[in-house]
Amino acid sequence: AQSVTQLGSHVSVSEGALVLLRCNYSSSVPPYLFWYVQYPNQGLQLLLKYTSAATLVKGINGFEAEFKKSETSFHLTKPSAHMSDAAEYFCAVSPRGGSQGNLIFGKGTKLSVKP
Amino acid sequence: NAGVTQTPKFQVLKTGQSMTLQCAQDMNHEYMSWYRQDPGMGLRLIHYSVGAGITDQGEVPNGYNVSRSTTEDFPLRLLSAAPSQTSVYFCASTQEVNNSPLHFGNGTRLTVT
Repeated sequence: AQSVTQLGSHVSVSEGALVLLRCNYSSSVPPYLFWYVQYPNQGLQLLLKYTSAATLVKGINGFEAEFKKSETSFHLTKPSAHMSDAAEYFCAVSPRGGSQGNLIFGKGTKLSVKP
Repeated sequence: NAGVTQTPKFQVLKTGQSMTLQCAQDMNHEYMSWYRQDPGMGLRLIHYSVGAGITDQGEVPNGYNVSRSTTEDFPLRLLSAAPSQTSVYFCASTQEVNNSPLHFGNGTRLTVT
């Protein structure tokens, strides 16, 4: 069965430092891949998605993610963290050829940004 | 645009009570789904619908019922609430889940005592 693993339930960085949030998927066929962000007391909103075009995907708020098939990874990065980036981030996968009900989320990584 | 609207925002139930969590979207999306979010567990799919009159089970469907009589509405029913159903519930919709983002409501925080 398709699964997604996010390494690190909590990540803390200083303002201005690099943000790296890790996501690995398990699938023999590269799935569709997504990163969502959740701010406190809100629903999730899409940051970016990979659907098989460019392997480096740019999203909103300066975030980007690189799809690496050899590593089955889709890590999220931002060169310089801002206080407003503090939130919980979820990686999600949807298998190609699967039904529309199969968006599977990772357990999330909570990002803290220190001043 | 309203997007995805969930009501109520908060609810406290006693064990054994029933209730319906409401979800409505005004984007004419065919696909709608319900997730529950628990600390350290991420989001888990409860039920989903690919169109009016069509529903299917997700990863954790037990204890929940759904129906989809219109494109706009997708209510989630708890028939006999249990403390294990204490969670935050999110409704989401999209036109086509594999290539389009899910639009989420702001959630319903449910406590079962």
